Amino acid sequence: TQLLEQSPQFLSIQEGENLTVYCNSSSVFSSLQWYRQEPGEGPVLLVTVVTGGEVKKLKRLTFQFGDARKDSSLHITAAQPGDTGLYLCAGASKGGSQGNLIFGKGTKLSVKP
Amino acid sequence: SQTIHQWPATLVQPVGSPLSLECTVEGTSNPNLYWYRQAAGRGLQLLFYSVGIGQISSEVPQNLSASRPQDRQFILSSKKLLLSDSGFYLCAWTLGRTSGNTDTQYFGPGTRLTVL
Repeated sequence: TQLLEQSPQFLSIQEGENLTVYCNSSSVFSSLQWYRQEPGEGPVLLVTVVTGGEVKKLKRLTFQFGDARKDSSLHITAAQPGDTGLYLCAGASKGGSQGNLIFGKGTKLSVKP
Repeated sequence: SQTIHQWPATLVQPVGSPLSLECTVEGTSNPNLYWYRQAAGRGLQLLFYSVGIGQISSEVPQNLSASRPQDRQFILSSKKLLLSDSGFYLCAWTLGRTSGNTDTQYFGPGTRLTVL
C-alpha cells in the first residue's frame, strides 16, 4: 500500500517566520500535487511537480520534488496570516489508472499576526 | 475555463433518511470524477471514482453508492444514513485518460453533512 507521510501535522508560527512542510514516501510517484484548503472549502491546487529534482516557485512558496520522486517539500518564506490553512500533498503513481491520487493527511498551518 | 459545482453546501439529516449529493462539472468533456470524504481538518478518503457514464468503482465498502447518469454529473447517494456518514464530502475531476495528464485533480467546494 502506498502511503504519503506529511510532517509536521500541526504548525503554529508568527507572521514573518519561515517554515518547511515535508511529504515523504517509500514509493515513487509520477507527479506530486500540493493543495491548500481553508475550513469549509475544497482543496485548491497550488502546484504540480513532475520531474525529479524540480523546483517551482509561487511567490513566497517554494516547492521541490525529490530527485528520486519519492518526497517533496514546501517552503514558505515570511509567512503571513493569509497562508493559514491545511496543506495537502498528493501523489500519482506511475502507471496508475484513472488518475487516482494518494493523499497525505495534511499539515495544519496557523500563522499568527 | 472549467468549473465544478456541488450542492447542497450543507445538509442536516436524521439517521435512516436517504441522501443525494450532486456534483457537476462544466467546461470539459469526459472527465474522470471522484467522491471523497474528509474527516475533520484531515486527509481525504477516496469513496468512488468514475471514468465514464455508468462506470463506477468503489474504493471502500460502505453505506453509500454513486452514480454517473451524464458525462459531467456525479451523484452520491444513500438509502439510509448512519451517524458515521457525517463528514465533509468533496467531489473532484481530472482530465480523462485520452486528454493527456490525468494526475491533477480539481475539487469542488464540498458538502458538509451532519447526521443526527
